[in-house]
Amino acid sequence: DGGITQSPKYLFRKEGQNVTLSCEQNLNHDAMYWYRQDPGQGLRLIYYSQIVNDFQKGDIAEGYSVSREKKESFPLTVTSAQKNPTAFYLCASKINRGTGELFFGEGSRLTVL
Amino acid sequence: DQQVKQNSPSLSVQEGRISILNCDYTNSMFDYFLWYKKYPAEGPTFLISISSIKDKNEDGRFTVFLNKSAKHLSLHIVPSQPGDSAVYFCAASGVGTGANNLFFGTGTRLTVIP
Repeated sequence: DGGITQSPKYLFRKEGQNVTLSCEQNLNHDAMYWYRQDPGQGLRLIYYSQIVNDFQKGDIAEGYSVSREKKESFPLTVTSAQKNPTAFYLCASKINRGTGELFFGEGSRLTVL
Repeated sequence: DQQVKQNSPSLSVQEGRISILNCDYTNSMFDYFLWYKKYPAEGPTFLISISSIKDKNEDGRFTVFLNKSAKHLSLHIVPSQPGDSAVYFCAASGVGTGANNLFFGTGTRLTVIP
């Protein structure tokens, strides 16, 4: 079945460590996104990519990095520079650059110990 | 600055009654609106959308109403079922709002009481 796969679902990290969250989609979507969700807040955009080898910062990109080497993959690295990394991270994709619905993965919960 | 606002963090409704979830937005460039439903520890799933050329869109038990002059939209669920209990996010996008991004509200937790 087509969809978006995020891994791992749960991840624990010590302070000062970088961690990479995986996002893979087989929907043949051009655009991919990373959002962060915190309790009582909406989804906030971290990074997005509309095409391979190109990506842009979202509203809260500081302390994060991404790559888009393949259409299907959009990994997110949470670096040690991110001051408050404990959150629920959601990857999403969209069929084209226009308006339309986002398809979300199941999410990854990162906890910094 | 929150461009999409859901001012009610929670709502409780009896099974079989109508649930009305509200959403306000500030950016007049928004022309496409969506509702997402989210269960705990899962990704949001698309529920229903509406374009600014319409004022109503219906899909089964779910109806979205758009009032452009008031910059307000609402989601009606009739009849409400216990399985509808989830967090509902309103989202908006539009040409010129940048990033082809969806701007999300903070969500409303709906509890349908059996």
